[in-house]
Amino acid sequence: AQTVTQSQPEMSVQEAETVTLSCTYDTSESDYYLFWYKQPPSRQMILVIRQEAYKQQNATENRFSVNFQKAAKSFSLKISDSQLGDAAMYFCAYRRKTGLTFGEGTQLTVNP
Amino acid sequence: EAGVTQFPSHSVIEKGQTVTLRCDPISGHDNLYWYRRVMGKEIKFLLHFVKESKQDESGMPNNRFLAERTGGTYSTLKVQPAELEDSGVYFCASSPRAGDVGGELFFGEGSRLTVL
Repeated sequence: AQTVTQSQPEMSVQEAETVTLSCTYDTSESDYYLFWYKQPPSRQMILVIRQEAYKQQNATENRFSVNFQKAAKSFSLKISDSQLGDAAMYFCAYRRKTGLTFGEGTQLTVNP
Repeated sequence: EAGVTQFPSHSVIEKGQTVTLRCDPISGHDNLYWYRRVMGKEIKFLLHFVKESKQDESGMPNNRFLAERTGGTYSTLKVQPAELEDSGVYFCASSPRAGDVGGELFFGEGSRLTVL
């Protein structure tokens, strides 16, 4: 069975600085997808960034980028130039055929 | 375009009662998923519909949970009878095409269930 682990229950960052959220996963499959979702307070979860396992190049979306280390089964999210609106619960997820396997989440606080 | 909507946003019931949660996916989305987050733990998969058919219900905790998707449109998740450990937030998500493993899931805001 696939598992996803986020070892940082809480993180904080100063506005305009950079923060990295960690995620590791375990799978025996070679082709899969990894995602980071964010859930702002009282709002629905939205997709931040997606990585296809067969692509070696790390995905980037504006201020968000990932460090995908397939051999190490690591998938960290880097947020550059943090903004107050980035404050949310961040979930790392592995996509299996019929749905997502989530980590426990990391609560990110952005300090002004 | 309307997103995924869930109702009710919060339900408080007594142990032994019945609750029905509803999810309206984005129109035209074939895939509909139910997830649950209990006591601040990880979000766990419950089941997956493709149109009106249950594709995978391996995450359903027990036979007190019954999910349906009428005509491949909205879905309901009924808990009967509810137990204390059923408390949590129930999320619904949808995505457009069956078999699109890499596709984005669109989530609702969740239905918070509190069982007293």
